[in-house]
Amino acid sequence: EIVLTQSPGTLSLSPGERATLSCRASQSINSNYLAWYQQKPGQAPRLLLYAASSRATGIPDRFSGSGSGTDFTLAVSRLEPEDFAVYYCHHHGNSPYTFGQGTKLEIK
Amino acid sequence: QVQLVESGGGLVKPGGSLRLSCAASGFTFSDYYMNWIRQAPGKGLEWVSYISSSGSVIYYADSVKGRFTISRDNAKNSLYLQLNSLRAEDTAVYYCAREFSAWDNYFDYWGQGTLVTVSS
Repeated sequence: EIVLTQSPGTLSLSPGERATLSCRASQSINSNYLAWYQQKPGQAPRLLLYAASSRATGIPDRFSGSGSGTDFTLAVSRLEPEDFAVYYCHHHGNSPYTFGQGTKLEIK
Repeated sequence: QVQLVESGGGLVKPGGSLRLSCAASGFTFSDYYMNWIRQAPGKGLEWVSYISSSGSVIYYADSVKGRFTISRDNAKNSLYLQLNSLRAEDTAVYYCAREFSAWDNYFDYWGQGTLVTVSS
């Protein structure tokens, strides 16, 4: 089973700042099988990025992803008020699919 | 537009059973692999189960293997999860989610979830 560890657990930033979220895998994974989701309180998760760096439909270009092997990053270039949420990375290469524990992005 | 609507959640006693449903619309349900994912209150996401488009391939998380059963009825555009021998730790919001494709199997659409509470 691939274990995904996200850091930091909580990130406190102000609107307009840049956010960098990390996701580390317990072993090397194919980047085609690494996705990122955003979840706001009371809502279902929403797909942000797939294949580590491809934006899903309708996702603004201030969201970007990078990485390979065991280390992956989600960056938000200029935080908007609606970006404050919890973010999860997800490995879907094979069963069991796994998620990171999440990073909460909160307003400073 | 793609819609996934879960139902069937509720309060159940430990050891009890429940059947969750996920009604799909806006796409050809029989072409897509489907999953159940759960989220305990205030916690992160946990993948629960997967079923192929035909229903011939099924996977479970170890935490639910032998107690939960996933199934689908393509004629009714519906996905199901039978929950047996429920425990307190099964308390969670249960989401159904669609895989984009067989090769790009990230979850592109999610339902709004249904809450299962296991308590005496």
